[in-house]
Amino acid sequence: SQQGEEDPQALSIQEGENATMNCSYKTSINNLQWYRQNSGRGLVHLILIRSNEREKHSGRLRVTLDTSKKSSSLLITASRAADTASYFCATVPNSGYSTLTFGKGTMLLVSP
Amino acid sequence: DVKVTQSSRYLVKRTGEKVFLECVQDMDHENMFWYRQDPGLGLRLIYFSYDVKMKEKGDIPEGYSVSREKKERFSLILESASTNQTSMYLCASSLGLATGSSPLHFGNGTRLTVT
Repeated sequence: SQQGEEDPQALSIQEGENATMNCSYKTSINNLQWYRQNSGRGLVHLILIRSNEREKHSGRLRVTLDTSKKSSSLLITASRAADTASYFCATVPNSGYSTLTFGKGTMLLVSP
Repeated sequence: DVKVTQSSRYLVKRTGEKVFLECVQDMDHENMFWYRQDPGLGLRLIYFSYDVKMKEKGDIPEGYSVSREKKERFSLILESASTNQTSMYLCASSLGLATGSSPLHFGNGTRLTVT
């Protein structure tokens, strides 16, 4: 069952520009995580934001969480060609024991 | 750094064969997971395990089984491979319960083709 949905499905920008990806989810959550996947590789955890947090930074990454709108955004500032990858949000519903459910991802292409 | 190692990067098998996908993690994590990833469908959870010899079905367990005899190793078994099981298989591990507070550490995946 799909909990998170990313938007847009694909994003193409130039190096130096900012990239914003959005994630919407359906049920209340404890936390939301963002992952990155380079082509043909496994996923790499980027950042975790808890339900009582509104914003979190890690290097060039900025994640926001709006629990009232059930949405999150990932901003990559001053993007580089090496940021080209797919980005996924993942959530665990706030109800009992459950596992991470991933969205279908946003494919980001950063051109030099 | 946590390392999750999947035994094969690419695998080609014939329909009806029994297929074993192996995954080993080196960080003493309690939880291990098997996902499959398909274009347009994202990642879907097949099975997971929160302890040795324990297993739980995920969203799409049909046609698969798993084995966890040792804490560091989690095997995915396709009892009789079919063409619709052609996919990228991703193994992951995490510390403690996967309640969203523990990041998943993924292997590099096994791309399985069933002909």
